[in-house]
Amino acid sequence: GNSVTQMEGPVTLSEEAFLTINCTYTATGYPSLFWYVQYPGEGLQLLLKATKADDKGSNKGFEATYRKETTSFHLEKGSVQVSDSAVYFCALGSPYNNNDMRFGAGTRLTVKP
Amino acid sequence: DVKVTQSSRYLVKRTGEKVFLECVQDMDHENMFWYRQDPGLGLRLIYFSYDVKMKEKGDIPEGYSVSREKKERFSLILESASTNQTSMYLCASSLSGGASMSYNEQFFGPGTRLTVL
Repeated sequence: GNSVTQMEGPVTLSEEAFLTINCTYTATGYPSLFWYVQYPGEGLQLLLKATKADDKGSNKGFEATYRKETTSFHLEKGSVQVSDSAVYFCALGSPYNNNDMRFGAGTRLTVKP
Repeated sequence: DVKVTQSSRYLVKRTGEKVFLECVQDMDHENMFWYRQDPGLGLRLIYFSYDVKMKEKGDIPEGYSVSREKKERFSLILESASTNQTSMYLCASSLSGGASMSYNEQFFGPGTRLTVL
């Protein structure tokens, strides 16, 4: 079945450091891929998405590219801020059933000033 | 903006109590979902509904039931709460696929943190 594996946290970085959170997936067909962010005490918010191979999703300085050849969707940001501290979830949406969304375990990011 | 609201942010109940968690969305979405979120496990789907009065089991339905009497409202019911149901519960909604089957973004509520003593 469809599944997502993302790098375990927690990740602690200093402000302005470069961020990478790895995400790989297993799926049949061509799924949609998402990164969601959960700030402390809140629900999940969509950060960015990509719906086909080689698409790049971007938002708030974060980017991720849908790589079909490596089945990956790694999240990157060139210079993190304290306000980026949150839990990040990689997710996969089935191309055959839009009720089927699979989430990774989440990666907690803490950015220190 | 899509808004998904949940009836409580924090809830404390006793073992054996019947617990109702309510979720309301205001964007006329067909699909609604209940997940539980536990550290290291990510989000696991409990139940979802694709229409009024329609429901399907997710990955972990045991110990839970749901109700969808109106399109905008989806309730999660713990018939007899147990301590292993202490968790964060997240409600979400989405449009049905239609022609955009690959575009299945879900919109989440703020979550209810349930503690069962």
